[in-house]
Amino acid sequence: KAGVTQTPRYLIKTRGQQVTLSCSPISGHRSVSWYQQTPGQGLQFLFEYFSETQRNKGNFPGRFSGRQFSNSRSEMNVSTLELGDSALYLCASSLAFQKLNTEAFFGQGTRLTVV
Amino acid sequence: GQQVMQIPQYQHVQEGEDFTTYCNSSTTLSNIQWYKQRPGGHPVFLIQLVKSGEVKKQKRLTFQFGEAKKNSSLHITATQTTDVGTYFCAAGNKLTFGGGTRVLVKP
Repeated sequence: KAGVTQTPRYLIKTRGQQVTLSCSPISGHRSVSWYQQTPGQGLQFLFEYFSETQRNKGNFPGRFSGRQFSNSRSEMNVSTLELGDSALYLCASSLAFQKLNTEAFFGQGTRLTVV
Repeated sequence: GQQVMQIPQYQHVQEGEDFTTYCNSSTTLSNIQWYKQRPGGHPVFLIQLVKSGEVKKQKRLTFQFGEAKKNSSLHITATQTTDVGTYFCAAGNKLTFGGGTRVLVKP
């Protein structure tokens, strides 16, 4: 079956702009989590959606938001972009939002560069 | 919040040698997962440990969960060039990731 699909793969934006990233989970998976990966901070949890509801949230400012649709596809939005938002944004899908006994499958990521 | 620390940050290994990477937490963990990320790639799930003292093996990889469920280790024997990458541990429902151990193999 198809894996986790993230679009676009690469993106260049200017400071102050906003951006929307998309993630299509593995068929049948209802949980989608988003992570930010940077060389300095590593992999940091942004938020998780399950059945169209945000279930968990990391320590990121309100400029970072997301949503999930009825088909489990998820979008992540970052408004008023800052240089420090440049990162690889990874989406992971899993069967359930409780990670005990369930593995996360990651997409290839979207590489965002803010100039 | 839950934090997991990984050591070492970098591991230079001669091909054929063994090495171990460690994951430590100040709090008791409900579970620990390990992922591998190849250069330019995305994290790929390796294994999950749930029980105190649990040991699981995957070919040359041995994973262990501490008795107090506060630490875990990944031991790789006879390192190969295919082992190059960053190994992450992750814990909890939000999958809090450790900083990772970046493994470089010298042929």
